[in-house]
Amino acid sequence: KAGVTQTPRYLIKTRGQQVTLSCSPISGHRSVSWYQQTPGQGLQFLFEYFSETQRNKGNFPGRFSGRQFSNSRSEMNVSTLELGDSALYLCASSFRTGGRTEAFFGQGTRLTVV
Amino acid sequence: TQLLEQSPQFLSIQEGENLTVYCNSSSVFSSLQWYRQEPGEGPVLLVTVVTGGEVKKLKRLTFQFGDARKDSSLHITAAQPGDTGLYLCAPPLGGGFKTIFGAGTRLFVKA
Repeated sequence: KAGVTQTPRYLIKTRGQQVTLSCSPISGHRSVSWYQQTPGQGLQFLFEYFSETQRNKGNFPGRFSGRQFSNSRSEMNVSTLELGDSALYLCASSFRTGGRTEAFFGQGTRLTVV
Repeated sequence: TQLLEQSPQFLSIQEGENLTVYCNSSSVFSSLQWYRQEPGEGPVLLVTVVTGGEVKKLKRLTFQFGDARKDSSLHITAAQPGDTGLYLCAPPLGGGFKTIFGAGTRLFVKA
């Protein structure tokens, strides 16, 4: 089956701009989680969506938002970009069955803010 | 918040050596997952350990879950350059929880 697809792979934006990243999960997976990865902070949880509802949110400012569509595809948006938003943004789709979780990450979107 | 501490942070070894990396917490987990991430890629799930004391083997990789389900270890036998990467531990993703990853162990295996 196809893996988790994130687009675009690379993005360069200017401070103050906004950006939208996309994540298509594995077919049948209704949970999509987003993470920010930086060398200094590691992998940090942004939010999780399940059946179009945000189930949980990490400790990020309101400039970071997301949504999920009826086909489980998810987008995250960052407004008023800051230099510190430069990072690898990863999404993961997961599926729980029989008490176990199957989880797959996309390759990520490398965002550079200049 | 359940915090996970991984050690060592960085490890550089020669091909053929054995190594162990650790994932520790003061919290109890229902299960823990281990991932390996290569540069420019997303993490790949290696294993899930569920039962206290459980040992799982994946070729040359041996994963153990502590009896109290607060810690886990990964032992690699006869490391190879292909084992190079960032090893991460975390509770299972999703489920409405704020999944907290450990900072990871960056392993470099020299040929």
